[in-house]
Amino acid sequence: GAGVSQSPSNKVTEKGKDVELRCDPISGHTALYWYRQRLGQGLEFLIYFQGNSAPDKSGLPSDRFSAERTGESVSTLTIQRTQQEDSAVYLCASSLGQGSNGYTFGSGTRLTVV
Amino acid sequence: GDSVTQMEGPVTLSEEAFLTINCTYTATGYPSLFWYVQYPGEGLQLLLKATKADDKGSNKGFEATYRKETTSFHLEKGSVQVSDSAVYFCGTGHNAGNMLTFGGGTRLMVKP
Repeated sequence: GAGVSQSPSNKVTEKGKDVELRCDPISGHTALYWYRQRLGQGLEFLIYFQGNSAPDKSGLPSDRFSAERTGESVSTLTIQRTQQEDSAVYLCASSLGQGSNGYTFGSGTRLTVV
Repeated sequence: GDSVTQMEGPVTLSEEAFLTINCTYTATGYPSLFWYVQYPGEGLQLLLKATKADDKGSNKGFEATYRKETTSFHLEKGSVQVSDSAVYFCGTGHNAGNMLTFGGGTRLMVKP
């Protein structure tokens, strides 16, 4: 597609439920990233995929968080047993590979855990 | 790993005022430097970048110069507009890696 697409744009869920967030990167972009942005705070790296290599999961805050990517296409970020502190905007970005090229970001999914 | 420090906001200016948003970084090697902008309700967009020392990135009247000696990449604009109101993020990236490291963001509010 023309840009990075994320869905849903907004999600309200009850504490303890699982949620799944989706990201469609730009076609041909081999690298895909997930970041989290809590209210009033900066960007927190979560996970990064590069082609068929093993993902860099070093930023995932707990084992309730996981992400998958099929080849160089769609990625899903899953949060199990959501907690109120998971409330944030979850941003996805893709790039042609090297971090020095910068990213193209999606508009994010705003997750609210009540 | 890298770290990026930005001036805390909000920065509140009147229209046509001069803008400076400070950004300093610590990094191994020679990173590329970026400014991203996030307009209200939208995703982050790349505003400008510089890939080596003394390079100047520029876009939409904004400029930033890669200062290796002071490890800085301050964002400037000579005359801000109300439409520049947004959150600005400074970041670093490396040729050998893929993750960008961002500062905490600086909110700019421009009043008419």
